[in-house]
Amino acid sequence: DAGVIQSPRHEVTEMGQEVTLRCKPISGHNSLFWYRQTMMRGLELLIYFNNNVPIDDSGMPEDRFSAKMPNASFSTLKIQPSEPRDSAVYFCASSHRRNHNSPLHFGNGTRLTVT
Amino acid sequence: DAKTTQPPSMDCAEGRAANLPCNHSTISGNEYVYWYRQIHSQGPQYIIHGLKNNETNEMASLIITEDRKSSTLILPHATLRDTAVYYCIFGGSQGNLIFGKGTKLSVKP
Repeated sequence: DAGVIQSPRHEVTEMGQEVTLRCKPISGHNSLFWYRQTMMRGLELLIYFNNNVPIDDSGMPEDRFSAKMPNASFSTLKIQPSEPRDSAVYFCASSHRRNHNSPLHFGNGTRLTVT
Repeated sequence: DAKTTQPPSMDCAEGRAANLPCNHSTISGNEYVYWYRQIHSQGPQYIIHGLKNNETNEMASLIITEDRKSSTLILPHATLRDTAVYYCIFGGSQGNLIFGKGTKLSVKP
């Protein structure tokens, strides 16, 4: 089991540029979650999907943020345009929703720096 | 807002048991308690979860009070590699877990 795979591991970009973060969930998992972590706010849930369908995006901070899950094995989180305050570590997690108590499995994150 | 209460930090001597408490007084009857930990710069790692019975796995033991309003995570023989932030979480019928600030556990030689 390769675990949740995120890419890139690090991203440095200039303010105003578009940023796309990628996630490959664990095979067979049908729920996917995007979290953001900063020193000030800790781990925040941004959005989650069940069976590729967005269920709750109330944690997405602004319209500049969007997430898609075109199929069961891939998801993207896009920021356009990026701003310095978006600098954070972004985590993707997946779980198997057949059992409602299935734990989340996290990737190792993408560290985003917006200058 | 996070719905659990944990001490911000704890110390533990290497080789001793680490007992991490958590209060979750608003937990509902069908919500599980989950414990995760995060070692610096890595993604949160699942440790254990339970509903009302005590649970044990290769990493830790989970003791849940009878009223389910609190629990304790026990690392039986803490090592330096157990130094991490430990999160106690419950809730989310969809699996969407809301993380609090956790407990920073420092294992000292």
